Amino acid sequence: SQQGEEDPQALSIQEGENATMNCSYKTSINNLQWYRQNSGRGLVHLILIRSNEREKHSGRLRVTLDTSKKSSSLLITASRAADTASYFCATTTGANSKLTFGKGITLSVRP
Amino acid sequence: DVKVTQSSRYLVKRTGEKVFLECVQDMDHENMFWYRQDPGLGLRLIYFSYDVKMKEKGDIPEGYSVSREKKERFSLILESASTNQTSMYLCASAQGWSNQPQHFGDGTRLSIL
Repeated sequence: SQQGEEDPQALSIQEGENATMNCSYKTSINNLQWYRQNSGRGLVHLILIRSNEREKHSGRLRVTLDTSKKSSSLLITASRAADTASYFCATTTGANSKLTFGKGITLSVRP
Repeated sequence: DVKVTQSSRYLVKRTGEKVFLECVQDMDHENMFWYRQDPGLGLRLIYFSYDVKMKEKGDIPEGYSVSREKKERFSLILESASTNQTSMYLCASAQGWSNQPQHFGDGTRLSIL
């Protein structure tokens, strides 16, 4: 069953704009991870945020986690055409639990 | 950098054939995973392994088996391929368990005719 659900399903923006993608989940989590997938390729890990953390940064990426709302957001600032990809959130619910992926968001960045 | 290599990017097989998908990682990771990815369904875990010769079923193990004879290699086997197993198959590895990122190969797009 799906734990994380991303929103929106698709997003199209102009190069230079910021892109915000959201992920909601149903049950308490141990951590939440964001991955990127370029067309026809495997997934690349972007960032991991633990349940006791509220915000993490990595370069142009900013991830927030609100455990009271069971949601996370991924912000990509100053987007580039190379950011065009699908983005997935994935959650674990315990120390020995498997990673459960959402269905993904398709981001298109127009040059 | 971690490298996870899947033996084929594209594969075409016939119904009823026994199909082997191979995956090798070069970072001495304990854990390895096989997923399939289908449009509208996201990634679903087929099997995983936390040690040599150890395996656990994931969410959709039916019609599949796995083999892990060496730490760096994790094979997915379709015992008798069927058309509903046409999919993108992704292999991943991770050093730890749920608190570590997974590193993915580029996937094998398998078509069963």
